[in-house]
Formats: sequence, C-alpha cells, structure tokens
Amino acid sequence: DTAVSQTPKYLVTQMGNDKSIKCEQNLGHDTMYWYKQDSKKFLKIMFSYNNKELIINETVPNRFSPKSPDKAHLNLHINSLELGDSAVYFCASSPGASGTYEQYFGPGTRLTVT
Amino acid sequence: AQSVTQLDSQVPVFEEAPVELRCNYSSSVSVYLFWYVQYPNQGLQLLLKYLSGSTLVKGINGFEAEFNKSQTSFHLRKPSVHISDTAEYFCAVSDRSWGKLQFGAGTQVVVTP
Repeated sequence: DTAVSQTPKYLVTQMGNDKSIKCEQNLGHDTMYWYKQDSKKFLKIMFSYNNKELIINETVPNRFSPKSPDKAHLNLHINSLELGDSAVYFCASSPGASGTYEQYFGPGTRLTVT
Repeated sequence: AQSVTQLDSQVPVFEEAPVELRCNYSSSVSVYLFWYVQYPNQGLQLLLKYLSGSTLVKGINGFEAEFNKSQTSFHLRKPSVHISDTAEYFCAVSDRSWGKLQFGAGTQVVVTP
C-alpha cells in the first residue's frame, strides 16, 4: 500500500511549457506539503495545505500554483517552465499542521526542463 | 527565523564502525528537531524526533540523537553501521505551529566494507 504517491515519477519537458504534478495520500492526513530539492540535494518547502486551505506559501514564483481538490490530494501546476525549475519535487503529508507531527514523503518527481 | 547547519557534507565510514553526524541549529523560539534519511532515489523517512523531555532520543535502525540546548546541537549517532546505511541524512527544525520544516544541507554517509 503506497502511503504518499506522486505522478509522474519523471517529467522531461521544454522551456515555456506548462506541466502538472499530482500527489495523493491514503493516510487520512489533514495536511499536505510540496518541497523542492535542488541539484545539491537542498530541500526547501514551497507550500502547505491544511484541510484544503493554504497555510504556508513560501517565496515561490507565481508560475507555481498548488491546488487541493480534497484533503487527500495536492497538485502542483507550473506555468512557463524555466531551466531553473529542474529539480526533484516531493509531496509530503502529516496528520495535522502542528510541528510535532512526522511528515511522510512521497517518492519524488524528477522534473527536467530542457 | 530558524537555520540548520550540518557540519559535514560527506562522511565516509567503514562497515561496523560508529558514525556521528553533526547538526547545529539557531532559532529565536523553541523548535522541534528531526532527523530524516533519504536512500538513493527515494523520498525521505523519519529516523527520530525530539519534542521535549529526555534529551537522548532513540530512533529506527539503531540510530539515536542527543539534544543539547546550551550548544544548540542535535547530533545523530549509530554505534555500528551497515552497508545499507549508505544514504543522505537531513537534520531539520520545525516551528511549533504550522509544521514548517527547515532542512540542513544534508550529510552523505557512504559505508564501505
């Protein structure tokens, strides 16, 4: 049973295109996150939703738009892709928004922009 | 604002030897502390966390960490490593409200026979 799943696992696209990454969790968690891991393995939070409501919105270009249709799903849409968007994007979930909770990570989506 | 510094970017270690990964943090408020592990081409998995109480925290796979408030450190240790411990290890701090994890730059552990 996959707890946090992401599709696709790999995404190769050209500059200027628009793409989406989907995330689903079957853990019954209330809170979901998007992280970006760059080529040096540095991880940075991008967004967080709690019960479909945006609670964390870091300094991310507005070309990135998260959408949470329900508690179990958090998708990431990226417009006008740039070379610098190449990275591994991780989705995560936790039981709630409190900092005490462990976050459960998906396997990642490796985005390559050419 | 919080920040996390992992003092070693890479730690080579022989199988069955002990390993220590160093982590220091800074924060103007109380935080929670975590260690996550990332095996090659996988997502992150929690090793252990410190919320309060005993400063020595035991985690999965034989790892433990010690919280030192005066030195603002949270070092990770394992007395005897296996080849399967080869991975990237991340120290992280979280604020107490929204679960916003701030990660260190990671320490790559390479275990050789």
